[in-house]
Amino acid sequence: KNEVEQSPQNLTAQEGEFITINCSYSVGISALHWLQQHPGGGIVSLFMLSSGKKKHGRLIATINIQEKHSSLHITASHPRDSAVYICAVHRGSTLGRLYFGRGTQLTVWP
Amino acid sequence: GAGVSQSPRYKVTKRGQDVALRCDPISGHVSLYWYRQALGQGPEFLTYFNYEAQQDKSGLPNDRFSAERPEGSISTLTIQRTEQRDSAMYRCASSFGGLAVNEQFFGPGTRLTVL
Repeated sequence: KNEVEQSPQNLTAQEGEFITINCSYSVGISALHWLQQHPGGGIVSLFMLSSGKKKHGRLIATINIQEKHSSLHITASHPRDSAVYICAVHRGSTLGRLYFGRGTQLTVWP
Repeated sequence: GAGVSQSPRYKVTKRGQDVALRCDPISGHVSLYWYRQALGQGPEFLTYFNYEAQQDKSGLPNDRFSAERPEGSISTLTIQRTEQRDSAMYRCASSFGGLAVNEQFFGPGTRLTVL
């Protein structure tokens, strides 16, 4: 069983919809990353968080350490948001190695 | 350049050949990471460095895989006696490093195909 589980695996939405992608993990962590992988393959870091909530533009990331759960929200979704969204965690006190979820493929239709 | 660069971007090789993949991190970044990503899968950790020291190589699949960062900047991932199962995207990332967790900046990757 993967230590980092994402849901859903695939998500289709209409432009303007509110999107939620979930990430659950089974180990203690020091930090969690949300990454975006573009259709062309490039990976961009969206958020790194260890508690609470962060917001950047239309993207919001939250984490609940006690429940071992994080969510990535996209408000007013747009076709350019179509990408694979990946959750990754640093286990325990380790600062280097990341453990990755399998990713969520998001497609937003105009 | 301002970002992480990798070369070559594409590599096609025959089974049994050795390959060397290069990563040039963002200037000043202490930490450098290597990942492998199979088609349709999330990235998988291989190894990482702080400066020239290899801190964790537990993700290297077997002893055909090795990595070095001799001067604490450019890194090379070497795969000896390549096999078809080694075909994947190999990605490098770098971060400021230090004692805190930092954002990682990813390179464009090297697509390796072993025939």
